[in-house]
Amino acid sequence: SQTIHQWPATLVQPVGSPLSLECTVEGTSNPNLYWYRQAAGRGLQLLFYSVGIGQISSEVPQNLSASRPQDRQFILSSKKLLLSDSGFYLCAWSSSSYNSPLHFGNGTRLTVT
Amino acid sequence: AQSVTQLGSHVSVSEGALVLLRCNYSSSVPPYLFWYVQYPNQGLQLLLKYTSAATLVKGINGFEAEFKKSETSFHLTKPSAHMSDAAEYFCAVGYSGNTPLVFGKGTRLSVIA
Repeated sequence: SQTIHQWPATLVQPVGSPLSLECTVEGTSNPNLYWYRQAAGRGLQLLFYSVGIGQISSEVPQNLSASRPQDRQFILSSKKLLLSDSGFYLCAWSSSSYNSPLHFGNGTRLTVT
Repeated sequence: AQSVTQLGSHVSVSEGALVLLRCNYSSSVPPYLFWYVQYPNQGLQLLLKYTSAATLVKGINGFEAEFKKSETSFHLTKPSAHMSDAAEYFCAVGYSGNTPLVFGKGTRLSVIA
């Protein structure tokens, strides 16, 4: 069966520090991969998605970036965190077939201080 | 553009009462639709999905949803609320395999003893 791993579960970082969140998927090949963010009291915001290695689509211009160095690995990065980057970050995967649902990781709670 | 509207950011019901969470979508093509549940500090979990096989879809934890094309709705129901149903619920709509799902803003369900 397919599983998705996301880490760390919680992270406290100072303003201006770098960020790296990692997500890996097991049990499937060539998945579509996604990064979402939930700010406190707000809905899901799609940040990036990828349909293949090296293919990244950005939905929101900001100081975050994403990379997909391997088929089942998706990394969210920042060179310098802002206070507004605080939130709950969720990685998800889906197959590329029609009507495929998203499968979410357990999320990373990021607090920028 | 595709969109999803969830009426009511917060719904409160008594334990044992009917749960009704509303979702309306806009689409010019046949959509596929999902309901997700999110418990605090966790990722989203798939409750059910509509893929045109049947208009009444049964999901996990006793939830079901009915697709009504004429009303462009996909409301989520459960006959009898349980305390463990207290969570955030998200409706999502999709149109093709490689296009990201569009999520509603979510509805927080509270269950009162």
